[in-house]
Amino acid sequence: QKEVEQNSGPLSVPEGAIASLNCTYSDRGSQSFFWYRQYSGKSPELIMSIYSNGDKEDGRFTAQLNKASQYVSLLIRDSQPSDSATYLCAVLFNNDMRFGAGTRLTVKP
Amino acid sequence: GAVVSQHPSRVICKSGTSVKIECRSLDFQATTMFWYRQFPKKSLMLMATSNEGSKATYEQGVEKDKFLINHASLTLSTLTVTSAHPEDSSFYICSVPLGAGRLDTQYFGPGTRLTVL
Repeated sequence: QKEVEQNSGPLSVPEGAIASLNCTYSDRGSQSFFWYRQYSGKSPELIMSIYSNGDKEDGRFTAQLNKASQYVSLLIRDSQPSDSATYLCAVLFNNDMRFGAGTRLTVKP
Repeated sequence: GAVVSQHPSRVICKSGTSVKIECRSLDFQATTMFWYRQFPKKSLMLMATSNEGSKATYEQGVEKDKFLINHASLTLSTLTVTSAHPEDSSFYICSVPLGAGRLDTQYFGPGTRLTVL
């Protein structure tokens, strides 16, 4: 059974701080990894994808992948109240996409 | 990216009735579309892959006779929840992949909130 695990939160950080979101997955052969942001009552939107070990930066977002530890994380620098949302981790293996239940992030002004 | 719409955005129905949800790809022709279901505070779960001009492919545990999928054109897929019951209440989301059947790049619709009384 392929599993994607996330801490449900809520994770609360002050405005301007770094928010760190973590995700672990069970299938060692997983190939592609994604972070989606989902506002309440809305559908997910892709914010980052990462395919190889290491860090990938895009603006205030950095995705980190460690395949040996089966761990992927998302860092949000200079967090803003508008970043308050649920962040879904998704893992792709052989065209089978599995989503985590999401971590709810609250950025307090 | 592709623009995807869903209709209705919200529907409330009585138990035993059928509900049709439309998913439209507004600027992109899609030979496949995906249908997901998301219960509160739960993962997004793939229900089925809708295939233009052929039968949908359902994920294990999803009843094909209860969740009827029709992909009649390259821009429209419909999901009909037949004889809906309260346990079918959920957030239904469709998505359009950039490449046929590919999950790595997909654009989600805004979702449909179904409440069955």
